Amino acid sequence: SAVISQKPSRDICQRGTSLTIQCQVDSQVTMMFWYRQQPGQSLTLIATANQGSEATYESGFVIDKFPISRPNLTFSTLTVSNMSPEDSSIYLCSVQQGRETEAFFGQGTRLTVV
Amino acid sequence: AQRVTQPEKLLSVFKGAPVELKCNYSYSGSPELFWYVQYSRQRLQLLLRHISRESIKGFTADLNKGETSFHLKKPFAQEEDSAMYYCALSPYNFNKFYFGSGTKLNVKP
Repeated sequence: SAVISQKPSRDICQRGTSLTIQCQVDSQVTMMFWYRQQPGQSLTLIATANQGSEATYESGFVIDKFPISRPNLTFSTLTVSNMSPEDSSIYLCSVQQGRETEAFFGQGTRLTVV
Repeated sequence: AQRVTQPEKLLSVFKGAPVELKCNYSYSGSPELFWYVQYSRQRLQLLLRHISRESIKGFTADLNKGETSFHLKKPFAQEEDSAMYYCALSPYNFNKFYFGSGTKLNVKP
């Protein structure tokens, strides 16, 4: 199994500012993903974090708003840029070793934008 | 486009009663289906996947391609089963998931 540490666990931010969320895994993993869970909603995939190259974004998500870094096989960051109250959500990091292996999730970052 | 539907936001049953959490999906190819569970104050974790055909904690789920369903069942619910359950779909050859909106299961004593 993979143990994922996500920081911060929660934050309250002013609109117009940016927040960077960190995801640290205790072992090297092939795949890393970022999800968003808005209040009362399901988990929505934001992007796949690719090591050494630009992230692959899902429809409706863009790099300017959610820049992602993945410098190595154990670490990734997601930045929520120019925040508005609509960005208030739980953001989750997920990792997977490869196809047909279990996906592991971080505890999530609860973001409130005021 | 892929879509996962869980029609029930909340399901309340008494301890010992059977439980069925519904999940329907739409996808043009051959997806893989999963159930994830989130207990109170814990992270999301895998409960079971259809390809393994396992029974985990007494839960089973059968993939019905004709009805495009993957309902989760347990014959006798326990209080410790109370949690949030998410059905998820993974398109073939892709390592990512599309989740349903979740069903909160409340097992009453």
